[in-house]
Amino acid sequence: KAGVTQTPRYLIKTRGQQVTLSCSPISGHRSVSWYQQTPGQGLQFLFEYFSETQRNKGNFPGRFSGRQFSNSRSEMNVSTLELGDSALYLCASSWMGTDNEQFFGPGTRLTVL
Amino acid sequence: TQLLEQSPQFLSIQEGENLTVYCNSSSVFSSLQWYRQEPGEGPVLLVTVVTGGEVKKLKRLTFQFGDARKDSSLHITAAQPGDTGLYLCAGSFGSARQLTFGSGTQLTVLP
Repeated sequence: KAGVTQTPRYLIKTRGQQVTLSCSPISGHRSVSWYQQTPGQGLQFLFEYFSETQRNKGNFPGRFSGRQFSNSRSEMNVSTLELGDSALYLCASSWMGTDNEQFFGPGTRLTVL
Repeated sequence: TQLLEQSPQFLSIQEGENLTVYCNSSSVFSSLQWYRQEPGEGPVLLVTVVTGGEVKKLKRLTFQFGDARKDSSLHITAAQPGDTGLYLCAGSFGSARQLTFGSGTQLTVLP
């Protein structure tokens, strides 16, 4: 069974631009969560989607948004990029079991110049 | 906001030594996961624990979940250089599915 895939793996953008990251969950998984990882803050929760609906959102500004499609694939968008948005963005998929196991993709490394 | 404390932050040991990493919270976990992460890659799930007092083994790794479900530990026996990496504990609380991560333990095993 294929794992979680994320595209692109690397991105370089400049301040003020916007970016869209993509995530394809494990087949059969309908929940997708996004996390941001930085050296200073570690891994922080951005949002979770299930059945095309945002179920939960972390403490991030409105510049961070996402969506989920009917095939469970998800995208996240960051508008008006800031230098501090440079991070590894991780997507995790889950089948919504009670143990809440989440399986991560390889991440997208975003660098904002 | 739920907080999760992980210790130690850094650990450098010789091959063959044993080590333990700790993960604690003031709140009860509904479930807890341990992950290992290599540089530039996503975390890889090692184990999930949900029942207080639970012990799980994965080769030389032993995971324990506290009786009160507020703490967990990861013990590695006879560490090998291949065990080098960032170990992360992550927990969820109540019915929320978002994971709260510890700050991680950077383990280096020297040959």
